[in-house]
Amino acid sequence: SQTIHQWPATLVQPVGSPLSLECTVEGTSNPNLYWYRQAAGRGLQLLFYSVGIGQISSEVPQNLSASRPQDRQFILSSKKLLLSDSGFYLCAWGVPSYEQYFGPGTRLTVT
Amino acid sequence: ILNVEQSPQSLHVQEGDSTNFTCSFPSSNFYALHWYRWETAKSPEALFVMTLNGDEKKKGRISATLNTKEGYSYLYIKGSQPEDSATYLCAFPNTGGFKTIFGAGTRLFVKA
Repeated sequence: SQTIHQWPATLVQPVGSPLSLECTVEGTSNPNLYWYRQAAGRGLQLLFYSVGIGQISSEVPQNLSASRPQDRQFILSSKKLLLSDSGFYLCAWGVPSYEQYFGPGTRLTVT
Repeated sequence: ILNVEQSPQSLHVQEGDSTNFTCSFPSSNFYALHWYRWETAKSPEALFVMTLNGDEKKKGRISATLNTKEGYSYLYIKGSQPEDSATYLCAFPNTGGFKTIFGAGTRLFVKA
């Protein structure tokens, strides 16, 4: 069966500091991978998606970036965090047209 | 820009009440419509994947219908229980299914 891991579970970072969130998937090959963010009081916002190694599509202009160095690894990064980057970050994998499976999420608080 | 709307934003019901909420999506270039259940402190979990106009799916006390011509889907919960309290999300994959746009969700509170 497929499993999706995310870490860390919670993170408190000062404004201007870098960020690296990691997501790995087990039990499937060549999945579509996604990063979402839920800001306080809002729905899920798609940040990035990837259909293969090194292939990243960005959905919103922001100071975040994503990379996919391996088939089942997806990394979300920032060089300098903003207060507005606070939120709940979810990684997900899916097959086109079918439902997505979400990781446990990372709660990021930028202070 | 695809827009997926959900209403109401939140809903408070008593245990035993039946309830329903709406997801509206673009009726052109329909591909699929997904419903997810998102409990606090957990990850969203898929409830239904709906692809055909007139589709009706059921899982226990929860069911969903789909109208692709007019661009809406209803989620129904019969005899709500406190454990049904969660945010219910609908999601609309674009053609090809690579990118999915989520609605803001309906937050359901069921009081015992």
